[in-house]
Amino acid sequence: SQQGEEDPQALSIQEGENATMNCSYKTSINNLQWYRQNSGRGLVHLILIRSNEREKHSGRLRVTLDTSKKSSSLLITASRAADTASYFCATHSGSARQLTFGSGTQLTVLP
Amino acid sequence: NAGVTQTPKFQVLKTGQSMTLQCAQDMNHEYMSWYRQDPGMGLRLIHYSVGAGITDQGEVPNGYNVSRSTTEDFPLRLLSAAPSQTSVYFCASSRTSGGTTDTQYFGPGTRLTVL
Repeated sequence: SQQGEEDPQALSIQEGENATMNCSYKTSINNLQWYRQNSGRGLVHLILIRSNEREKHSGRLRVTLDTSKKSSSLLITASRAADTASYFCATHSGSARQLTFGSGTQLTVLP
Repeated sequence: NAGVTQTPKFQVLKTGQSMTLQCAQDMNHEYMSWYRQDPGMGLRLIHYSVGAGITDQGEVPNGYNVSRSTTEDFPLRLLSAAPSQTSVYFCASSRTSGGTTDTQYFGPGTRLTVL
């Protein structure tokens, strides 16, 4: 079963605009991670936020975590065509020795 | 470092055939795992290993076997391929098996078609 569910499933924006993707999960977590997958490629880790953190930045990425609502958001600012990819959230919970992935958001950035 | 490597990149099997997907990492990572990704879906965990000689089942283990005889290698065996196993398979590794800062490094994937 999938712990994280991304919203929206697909997002299309113009270059230079900001893109926001949301992730909701069901059980309490140790950390939440965001990954990017370019078409036909493996996943690449973007950012990790721990359960005791509320916001984290990395370059043009900003991640927030609201554990009371069991949700996270990924903001990509000043998007570029190269940001076109699928974005997945993944949660690590309790003593589970595994990450659980959501179904992803397909982001298309139009030049 | 080559990171996580997978072979082959593409494979076509007939129903009932067996094969092994290879995965290797050169980062001395303890944790390795296999996922499958079906169209429009996220990744589902098949099997994982927290160290040489230790493996465990994930969410969708049926029809697959794994072993971990060395830290570097984690092959996935399909015992008797079925069309339902048509998917893209990803191998991943991480430094430890559950630290709060662990992130996973993914291989490029193997695209498997079972006819």
